[in-house]
Amino acid sequence: EPEVTQTPSHQVTQMGQEVILRCVPISNHLYFYWYRQILGQKVEFLVSFYNNEISEKSEIFDDQFSVERPDGSNFTLKIRSTKLEDSAMYFCASSGSQPPQETQYFGPGTRLLVL
Amino acid sequence: GQNIDQPTEMTATEGAIVQINCTYQTSGFNGLFWYQQHAGEAPTFLSYNVLDGLEEKGRFSSFLSRSKGYSYLLLKELQMKDSASYLCAVQGGANNLFFGTGTRLTVIP
Repeated sequence: EPEVTQTPSHQVTQMGQEVILRCVPISNHLYFYWYRQILGQKVEFLVSFYNNEISEKSEIFDDQFSVERPDGSNFTLKIRSTKLEDSAMYFCASSGSQPPQETQYFGPGTRLLVL
Repeated sequence: GQNIDQPTEMTATEGAIVQINCTYQTSGFNGLFWYQQHAGEAPTFLSYNVLDGLEEKGRFSSFLSRSKGYSYLLLKELQMKDSASYLCAVQGGANNLFFGTGTRLTVIP
């Protein structure tokens, strides 16, 4: 069964450093998303992406964040200058067509720890 | 704003039935999802409701009342492996999902 994959599974970085989180969505999906979950808290929407541009973003997704689809398979989230409060699990998700008809399928996540 | 409420924790016995409630107040509504999340893992899709009524899928059923802003997830014949967090999520006006804090279900023998 097709699945969303994410790398790395864990990332430790120093405050102020840049990190890039990578995702490979399900191959025939067209809509891509990033969510985050701070330990013990709820899953929060960051950004959605379709047709090579951002569809919607939350207030969390400030100028420090950016997303890119550099090729036909990868979808990346970049945090330019990490802060302590960016420590969280970051989930990538994808869906096949215009929601809500299509379910969003989540990857296994990248656990980011900012020291 | 978005407000999604569900109980924080529930405990139920193996083989029993449990109902997890979710109430929501959101600025847009395009459907309600239930996801299961084991600790440290990704949410996995369980069910989707967009019209009022009950959707049944094996041991899991989900109900929606849009007029009441209310949904529940019903789990039958509980198994130990059902111990997990159950996340209620509303599809907003656009593409994104708004999640509740999740209900941590513990199944005891």
